[in-house]
Amino acid sequence: DQQVKQNSPSLSVQEGRISILNCDYTNSMFDYFLWYKKYPAEGPTFLISISSIKDKNEDGRFTVFLNKSAKHLSLHIVPSQPGDSAVYFCAASRLNSGNTPLVFGKGTRLSVIA
Amino acid sequence: DVKVTQSSRYLVKRTGEKVFLECVQDMDHENMFWYRQDPGLGLRLIYFSYDVKMKEKGDIPEGYSVSREKKERFSLILESASTNQTSMYLCASSLTESNQPQHFGDGTRLSIL
Repeated sequence: DQQVKQNSPSLSVQEGRISILNCDYTNSMFDYFLWYKKYPAEGPTFLISISSIKDKNEDGRFTVFLNKSAKHLSLHIVPSQPGDSAVYFCAASRLNSGNTPLVFGKGTRLSVIA
Repeated sequence: DVKVTQSSRYLVKRTGEKVFLECVQDMDHENMFWYRQDPGLGLRLIYFSYDVKMKEKGDIPEGYSVSREKKERFSLILESASTNQTSMYLCASSLTESNQPQHFGDGTRLSIL
């Protein structure tokens, strides 16, 4: 049973426009969420995170929104750049549960077209 | 900057061989993890470790074992490699505090022939 779902395997966006990547989760115990970005032949790199006490976290061109009631989060990239083309993974964990590993979604491949 | 180093970027082995994948981190992180990444399946956790000599099974431990004799090193062992273990293997580490992100190595692309 997939606890973290990224239902769009791929997304294409024009350069300069907004990219919106979505993620849904089923486990209501999750209270900390992260986005990772992965280029081919490299390991994932941490991008941005949000805890369940917030509904928005912003870092430069990247903003993550959390809707706890819908168990949904999204990553917005504005403006999108060709270098943003990568696979994006959503991940979730339980902050106060000690050493519980992250649960990852299957990823969304973003292509930013110049 | 955290550095997670995986010993090989590319590896080709034969069916039935015992395969060792090595991972070293330089930031004194307590937690270390092994994942495999396959197309359409995302990142799947194989094993993880919270301390030296400790290990926990992840979601897909079958056919694998691990070793953590020193804090900075976490080894993944394929006891008898099979073709369905051809994959990208990713090692990660993190501090114990739950809100600390995992830092990943660049991965080992392993092919079993």
